[in-house]
Amino acid sequence: GAVVSQHPSRVICKSGTSVKIECRSLDFQATTMFWYRQFPKQSLMLMATSNEGSKATYEQGVEKDKFLINHASLTLSTLTVTSAHPEDSSFYICSVRGGLISYNEQFFGPGTRLTVL
Amino acid sequence: AQKVTQAQTEISVVEKEDVTLDCVYETRDTTYYLFWYKQPPSGELVFLIRRNSFDEQNEISGRYSWNFQKSTSSFNFTITASQVVDSAVYFCALSEAEGNYQLIWGAGTKLIIKP
Repeated sequence: GAVVSQHPSRVICKSGTSVKIECRSLDFQATTMFWYRQFPKQSLMLMATSNEGSKATYEQGVEKDKFLINHASLTLSTLTVTSAHPEDSSFYICSVRGGLISYNEQFFGPGTRLTVL
Repeated sequence: AQKVTQAQTEISVVEKEDVTLDCVYETRDTTYYLFWYKQPPSGELVFLIRRNSFDEQNEISGRYSWNFQKSTSSFNFTITASQVVDSAVYFCALSEAEGNYQLIWGAGTKLIIKP
């Protein structure tokens, strides 16, 4: 399977600041990348789906102006949480999909834990 | 609409006991994929299995086994001779078989294995 990295793994920031999270597919050309958010003791919630070269498609209830997603290349996607507030504190996970062999499977990054003070 | 139900919020057993985690799904698609993932306290998801809708054979991998029954729309997961390291949250998920292959997630079952 693909190796997916996320950076940073953990970030603490002050309310009102913006935070950028990177998701990299290290050995795999990801035609599609997904961003999830997971609150404590809850399941994963899909935030948005992005295909390389296209604008991200956001799920209902996710503010696209607050959560900026850039799928810059087949190996890199970034999620920027703009003007973060304490309610944005969560575990953010990216996943990638693509290729001929594993087109029907997502490979997950290790996650980024965001704490907004 | 597609849906995955994991009715067991939390299960606690003593080490070496067998434990089954239930997963019931709903879909109108004839072709779909089912998955199980493990999420230990670190948070990183660990892929356990993928099963396509045309393959109803049960699978065994070491102490893990999966029972896929289309007749009851269930894809249950059994851990035999549980170990403390099996303690984690386990998610069942359903994927469409077209487009972006989005995953529909169950709520997860927290499994606690006591020594």
